[in-house]
Amino acid sequence: GAGVSQTPSNKVTEKGKYVELRCDPISGHTALYWYRQSLGQGPEFLIYFQGTGAADDSGLPNDRFFAVRPEGSVSTLKIQRTERGDSAVYLCASSLDTVHNRQFFGPGTRLTVL
Amino acid sequence: DQQVKQNSPSLSVQEGRISILNCDYTNSMFDYFLWYKKYPAEGPTFLISISSIKDKNEDGRFTVFLNKSAKHLSLHIVPSQPGDSAVYFCAAITNSIPFNTNAGKSTFGDGTTLTVKP
Repeated sequence: GAGVSQTPSNKVTEKGKYVELRCDPISGHTALYWYRQSLGQGPEFLIYFQGTGAADDSGLPNDRFFAVRPEGSVSTLKIQRTERGDSAVYLCASSLDTVHNRQFFGPGTRLTVL
Repeated sequence: DQQVKQNSPSLSVQEGRISILNCDYTNSMFDYFLWYKKYPAEGPTFLISISSIKDKNEDGRFTVFLNKSAKHLSLHIVPSQPGDSAVYFCAAITNSIPFNTNAGKSTFGDGTTLTVKP
């Protein structure tokens, strides 16, 4: 079945560069979430979309991070001027609704900033 | 300030025995709790959930217990199987506030690595 897909699976970049991470949610899921997971920790909320709009972006660490979902389906997480501390696995999830919040996660993108 | 805590980083049990994974939370506004299971190189997958209006939810070998007064929940796996070996995350959300814009936000613990030995 078509689950949540994320590309690329791995991304290595240099400090100061710009990166884009893509998420394809499950078809029909209106809610989409981005999390960041560092080694030994649980997923840390970044932002979530209900349709095309960002309903809650309180988890974005600073203005270098930005996410869009222009047509209410695919989402892109954009990181400007990457720093070594941005290295982590970036997880995307989608859900049919937000009330019971059963989220379906993608495999993640492992970002390494050298 | 970590609002969801899983104080045991790891747990090892023998196949066939019970596994008990624990989770504590501090935010009394949390009213829905979920457990996710994660294998290496994969995203977390939903396992079981419980609403704060209940104190127990069971699904096959998996049972989640919620003690609201203690702000504590636990996941019981009986009997444990080697295929259950994974990292288990507890997550909590707040649903009940009207027009709650945080309804999509899940707060996760740091996980417990369960190893079930054959």
